[in-house]
Amino acid sequence: DVKVTQSSRYLVKRTGEKVFLECVQDMDHENMFWYRQDPGLGLRLIYFSYDVKMKEKGDIPEGYSVSREKKERFSLILESASTNQTSMYLCASRVQGSTEAFFGQGTRLTVV
Amino acid sequence: QKEVEQDPGPLSVPEGAIVSLNCTYSNSAFQYFMWYRQYSRKGPELLMYTYSSGNKEDGRFTAQVDKSSKYISLFIRDSQPSDSATYLCAMRAPQGGSEKLVFGKGMKLTVNP
Repeated sequence: DVKVTQSSRYLVKRTGEKVFLECVQDMDHENMFWYRQDPGLGLRLIYFSYDVKMKEKGDIPEGYSVSREKKERFSLILESASTNQTSMYLCASRVQGSTEAFFGQGTRLTVV
Repeated sequence: QKEVEQDPGPLSVPEGAIVSLNCTYSNSAFQYFMWYRQYSRKGPELLMYTYSSGNKEDGRFTAQVDKSSKYISLFIRDSQPSDSATYLCAMRAPQGGSEKLVFGKGMKLTVNP
């Protein structure tokens, strides 16, 4: 079974902190994605990566950066957390060109 | 106009009802059409997908795509309380085009015993 693991289920951080969200997949997938999910807004793409060291901005990249130094790991970085970044963050991975994306269980981040 | 539109509901039905979930889209390049199911406090999981137009059936679930109307549907027959979840449509262009999955907002469905 494909497994996408996010490092934390729940996280509480203070405004201005630098926050790291980690995602690891065990199926050698080329593509990895970070989404945030908010009520009434659905899933919005923050960043995605085609392969190691390759990244592209999604629809809402402002205030975020990413790192993909190894194929299995894709990190989302909040440079200076703000309250409007309180959200559910979902990581996903996929074989290049395939239809099915596999999601992690999500990290619910609260910025206070 | 957003690329993918989905009524977020919520929708509440009695057990055994037929459920119809729909999405419309504006990008004619979309060729792959997916339905994801998300249980509370979990990540989404792929339920079904179709390529281009037509129908696909899997047990109690049927996915339909009408490319001429830019409209996709998911039907659930004999709905069960275990079907209670949020259902998200998703779409993407063929390989060689954008690799991005574009999601609808998701429809929260509750099936009451």
